[in-house]
Amino acid sequence: EAQVTQNPRYLITVTGKKLTVTCSQNMNHEYMSWYRQDPGLGLRQIYYSMNVEVTDKGDVPEGYKVSRKEKRNFPLILESPSPNQTSLYFCASSSGLAGGLIVHEQFFGPGTRLTVL
Amino acid sequence: GDSVTQMEGPVTLSEEAFLTINCTYTATGYPSLFWYVQYPGEGLQLLLKATKADDKGSNKGFEATYRKETTSFHLEKGSVQVSDSAVYFCALKISGTYKYIFGTGTRLKVLA
Repeated sequence: EAQVTQNPRYLITVTGKKLTVTCSQNMNHEYMSWYRQDPGLGLRQIYYSMNVEVTDKGDVPEGYKVSRKEKRNFPLILESPSPNQTSLYFCASSSGLAGGLIVHEQFFGPGTRLTVL
Repeated sequence: GDSVTQMEGPVTLSEEAFLTINCTYTATGYPSLFWYVQYPGEGLQLLLKATKADDKGSNKGFEATYRKETTSFHLEKGSVQVSDSAVYFCALKISGTYKYIFGTGTRLKVLA
């Protein structure tokens, strides 16, 4: 089954304790992205990756890191989490966007609810 | 900068009523436009999309037309069902980039 998986689904942690949220897709998609969803703000893009070793900042990258060492995986790293990073996080993937002319839908994971105390 | 504005919810309708959820955007160039739907406890799913002016996206009875002149992409459905209850997000992909902008979402509740 084609899917995007995220782990963990729920996480409660404390300020300053490094954490990683994993994201994996089995559709051989080039494009992957991380979003956070907050009430009244909708989804905001954190980072995205166009392919292996190619990443770029979205609208709200502060406090986050990403890496793309393999095509299927795109982990989100919070080096020193703070309470304002309490949110619902979604990973998404999409097939090729070569030249920006072909637009494909994004497939979203089930979400990771993070609470930072 | 680029942005998406959609009507605030919640929107509450009776079954078989007509639905309109307004979405307007601000963007340079020619963005691609999307509607995504989020059911409780799940991730987002693409509902429909349009990639150029006057395109009409449609799926599961939902429709939206890319109106360049009014910078709008309103979502419509002629007869809603209880199963349509969800949060609907309007989104755009910024032309020439790989960046996406989402609206704040509109919660729809359909009563039997």
